[in-house]
Amino acid sequence: SQQGEEDPQALSIQEGENATMNCSYKTSINNLQWYRQNSGRGLVHLILIRSNEREKHSGRLRVTLDTSKKSSSLLITASRAADTASYFCATVFQGGSEKLVFGKGTKLTVNP
Amino acid sequence: GAGVSQSPRYKVAKRGQDVALRCDPISGHVSLFWYQQALGQGPEFLTYFQNEAQLDKSGLPSDRFFAERPEGSVSTLKIQRTQQEDSAVYLCASSLWRGSYNEQFFGPGTRLTVL
Repeated sequence: SQQGEEDPQALSIQEGENATMNCSYKTSINNLQWYRQNSGRGLVHLILIRSNEREKHSGRLRVTLDTSKKSSSLLITASRAADTASYFCATVFQGGSEKLVFGKGTKLTVNP
Repeated sequence: GAGVSQSPRYKVAKRGQDVALRCDPISGHVSLFWYQQALGQGPEFLTYFQNEAQLDKSGLPSDRFFAERPEGSVSTLKIQRTQQEDSAVYLCASSLWRGSYNEQFFGPGTRLTVL
């Protein structure tokens, strides 16, 4: 069974706009990771945030983590058509193995 | 350098057939993972190796599923007596070191269709 839920399930925006996706999870985590998946490049790691971190940036990506609410958000600024993909959050349980537990994903469409 | 490769990319099997899916991880990567992704869903964990040791197989859905990594490099996921519900994309991932803070690099997947 999957750990969490992404919200929204689908998001459609215009190029240049910002896109925000949210992820909730159920149990204590070691870290949370965001991945992107499209048909051309498969599943690609975007960013990892540890449980003792609150915010992390990578280029146009900003990730926040609120462990008290068991939630995370991914912000993509100044979106491009090439950002069109499905985005998944994945968690690593505290005290568990190294396996990733994925949510169901948010399908982002960026219109030119 | 080469990424994670998987073969075959597509496999069609008749119900009841056995299939074998191969994963070649990035050279030198210690950890190897198998995930199953149904249409419209996120990947779900199947099993995990550290070198040749299978440390977690809690995600294997039944005893028809078997994975091995005998020399700590290439891995094979075998599904016996395939059923229609086994139709999915099977993803392999590897990471360089042991430990939870490591990025997993995914292969392109094998799309299995069971008729």
